[in-house]
Amino acid sequence: GENVEQHPSTLSVQEGDSAVIKCTYSDSASNYFPWYKQELGKRPQLIIDIRSNVGEKKDQRIAVTLNKTAKHFSLHITETQPEDSAVYFCAASFKGQNFVFGPGTRLSVLP
Amino acid sequence: SQTIHQWPATLVQPVGSPLSLECTVEGTSNPNLYWYRQAAGRGLQLLFYSVGIGQISSEVPQNLSASRPQDRQFILSSKKLLLSDSGFYLCAWSVLNRGVEAFFGQGTRLTVV
Repeated sequence: GENVEQHPSTLSVQEGDSAVIKCTYSDSASNYFPWYKQELGKRPQLIIDIRSNVGEKKDQRIAVTLNKTAKHFSLHITETQPEDSAVYFCAASFKGQNFVFGPGTRLSVLP
Repeated sequence: SQTIHQWPATLVQPVGSPLSLECTVEGTSNPNLYWYRQAAGRGLQLLFYSVGIGQISSEVPQNLSASRPQDRQFILSSKKLLLSDSGFYLCAWSVLNRGVEAFFGQGTRLTVV
C-alpha cells in the first residue's frame, strides 16, 4: 500500500521567513496530493492541493510543487506569520480513495 | 451543503469496556468514509475506509472494527478497549465528483483509563 514520509517533523522559522515541508510517496498510482493544517485540538483543514497533471500550484502565500518522477511534493509558505503556526500534514490518494497521511510537521513561527 | 457529524466530542472509558463512535454525513450520497486515529502529538493513522455500504477496508489490525450500515453512516467499535486505544478519532468523507478533498468531522477525544 501507499506510504507517505514527511520532513522535517518540526520546523521553527522567524516571522517573515519562508517555510518548506517535503513529502515523498511510494505508490506511483497516487494522483491527488492535499495539504492539511491542524491547529491544536481541532480537525485538519485543507489548505491547498495538487493533482498529478499539474507541477505547481499557488494560492497567495502558499504554494505546492509536485515531482511525479521522483514521487515527492513540497509545501512552501512565504512571508510566514504567527497564525501559520500549526501542524501540517501532507497526504496522497488515488482518485480520492484511501487517503494516506504523512506523520506531520509542527511549524512554529517565532515573532 | 454537505456536513459531517461526529459524536461524542469527548469520551472517557475504562479499560475493557466497549466503544461505539458514530459518524454521519449529510447532503451527499455514496461518499467515501474514513476513520483516522491521532495519538497525542502524532500523525493521522488511517484505521478504516469504506467506498460503499458494507464495504470496509482495514488498514491496521487491532481490536477495533468498523461498520457502514447505511450509505452515510460510519461506526467505529470495539468490544474491549485497551489503554493504547486512547487518542483523537477523526471521521472523514470524500466524494469523487466534487474533486477529491477529504472533509473531517470535529473529532472524538477518547481517553481510556
